[in-house]
Amino acid sequence: AQKVTQTQTSISVMEKTTVTMDCVYETQDSSYFLFWYKQTASGEIVFLIRQDSYKKENATVGHYSLNFQKPKSSIGLIITATQIEDSAVYFCAMRENNYAQGLTFGLGTRVSVFP
Amino acid sequence: DPKIIQKPKYLVAVTGSEKILICEQYLGHNAMYWYRQSAKKPLEFMFSYSYQKLMDNQTASSRFQPQSSKKNHLDLQITALKPDDSATYFCASSDDEILYFGPGTRLTVL
Repeated sequence: AQKVTQTQTSISVMEKTTVTMDCVYETQDSSYFLFWYKQTASGEIVFLIRQDSYKKENATVGHYSLNFQKPKSSIGLIITATQIEDSAVYFCAMRENNYAQGLTFGLGTRVSVFP
Repeated sequence: DPKIIQKPKYLVAVTGSEKILICEQYLGHNAMYWYRQSAKKPLEFMFSYSYQKLMDNQTASSRFQPQSSKKNHLDLQITALKPDDSATYFCASSDDEILYFGPGTRLTVL
């Protein structure tokens, strides 16, 4: 069975700095997909970035990047040059190689960015 | 224009009643999903549909019944409502590995 664990419940950072969030996952599949989403204060859930397990290069999209450490079953999210509007709850999620399955989510990490 | 519409945004129901949550997506996706978010719990996968057929059901209770009348519709009927059903219900759709979520329906059962 899949499992996703985010141990950091909340992080506070100053604007324009870098924040790093941890996520570890469990799966029996050799092929799987990893995602990060954010949930804004309004409740909207927005897709940020993904990492396919067979890809060795860390994914990067805008000021989001991933630290994928497959041997450790770890997929950290790094946000550089944070902005006030990056304040949100960030969820790590995964799906095994089965299109019918939904994503398994972690509990989330609340990030607060201060000026 | 919103790409995934969920109605209503807020819903209050009494214990034992029945409600239908509406979801329509205009992304042209073939797969649709329902998720539930309760306080202090992770987003919980409930159902997945592809081409209007049930693909996966992770909801133990038969009180939750998805209904797909059209390719881009996936409604959720909940019967015999209980206070524990209080949560925000999110509809999502996908055409590859990425899921796109609707704005959610916040259900409160009194």
